[in-house]
Amino acid sequence: SQKIEQNSEALNIQEGKTATLTCNYTNYSPAYLQWYRQDPGRGPVFLLLIRENEKEKRKERLKVTFDTTLKQSLFHITASQPADSATYLCARIYNFNKFYFGSGTKLNVKP
Amino acid sequence: GAVVSQHPSRVICKSGTSVKIECRSLDFQATTMFWYRQFPKQSLMLMATSNEGSKATYEQGVEKDKFLINHASLTLSTLTVTSAHPEDSSFYICSAPGPTNAPYNEQFFGPGTRLTVL
Repeated sequence: SQKIEQNSEALNIQEGKTATLTCNYTNYSPAYLQWYRQDPGRGPVFLLLIRENEKEKRKERLKVTFDTTLKQSLFHITASQPADSATYLCARIYNFNKFYFGSGTKLNVKP
Repeated sequence: GAVVSQHPSRVICKSGTSVKIECRSLDFQATTMFWYRQFPKQSLMLMATSNEGSKATYEQGVEKDKFLINHASLTLSTLTVTSAHPEDSSFYICSAPGPTNAPYNEQFFGPGTRLTVL
């Protein structure tokens, strides 16, 4: 089956450090991957989209990479802040507009 | 940016009753909306695609007679959980593609509805 996997263990880092989250996919080659942020009890919020022909995409302190050889996308938050603490979801897109989400990785940024 | 609202935000009901959840696109039209369910510490699972003016399409394993979807207008989709049971307790979230409805467009999510069935 076509899977998208994220590390289910929480990532704990110190404020100011760079957080790196991983999204791996198997058995298919997505043309696009998207990253979302979800706070407890809230719906996800879109952060970044990266296409398969893009190696890297940036937005302020966020950076996403897409390695089709490793079948992996990395999501980086530089100069992390406690306000960045949330669950981060990666999603692949299929059938034009349907999304299949990874299980998410919870990020805890400690002051 | 595009805003999607949901109502109610929380609902508690007795087993056997039906519950309606509304999803509205506030400042744009959405011919398609999506309904997800999320259990604690799990990811969002797509339940169905709501299509304005036509029947909803359901993902494999989702009972269409239990989860009734009506896309009454270009800004409103409703999900009715019929004869709810405790195992239906979950966080229900709707989403809509952005205003341009372009392929692979970002999704705008509602704030979610917490359903608790006693």
